[in-house]
Amino acid sequence: GAVVSQHPSWVICKSGTSVKIECRSLDFQATTMFWYRQFPKQSLMLMATSNEGSKATYEQGVEKDKFLINHASLTLSTLTVTSAHPEDSSFYICSATGTSEFNEQFFGPGTRLTVL
Amino acid sequence: GNSVTQMEGPVTLSEEAFLTINCTYTATGYPSLFWYVQYPGEGLQLLLKATKADDKGSNKGFEATYRKETTSFHLEKGSVQVSDSAVYFCALILSYNTDKLIFGTGTRLQVFP
Repeated sequence: GAVVSQHPSWVICKSGTSVKIECRSLDFQATTMFWYRQFPKQSLMLMATSNEGSKATYEQGVEKDKFLINHASLTLSTLTVTSAHPEDSSFYICSATGTSEFNEQFFGPGTRLTVL
Repeated sequence: GNSVTQMEGPVTLSEEAFLTINCTYTATGYPSLFWYVQYPGEGLQLLLKATKADDKGSNKGFEATYRKETTSFHLEKGSVQVSDSAVYFCALILSYNTDKLIFGTGTRLQVFP
């Protein structure tokens, strides 16, 4: 149980276009979803936290107009990278918490974004 | 600030060798400590955890002990298998912000037969 999927697993886009990444909890209802970004040989950096039906809370230094997060249901959150540029190329990972004992986060497999 | 430092990889071992991956942390208060594992093509999975000093987390033959005096949570396994090849992440959660996981950079383990 507690499976989280992401789609797509990888995407290549042209500079200036927008890209949407989906994160789904497949077998549980996710009260909270998280979006992380990972650069090569660096740790996962939390970008934002979202709760279903409310606005996302962004970490310091993350542009909310650049990285739009929509948590429309208890099983789906989307991250849209708007007007993408090459510096946005990265590995984006989502996670979700349900009702486990200590708010355990269950992670998706990640999405590799390459902006040309 | 709050942070996690773990040894750079890759760590390359032969099957049945002893494994240690070092992890130290800096944190205010009393964090909970975690090891996550990421197998190729999969998401991070919780491997083990410890919530207070001197606790030992264990799972699948892996162990780590929460050492407050040395601010460490080193991961160990007595005899690794090829199937243990993965990336291992050390992480912490602060007691006053249980949503926010703070990760180390990850250590890639490669086990050869």
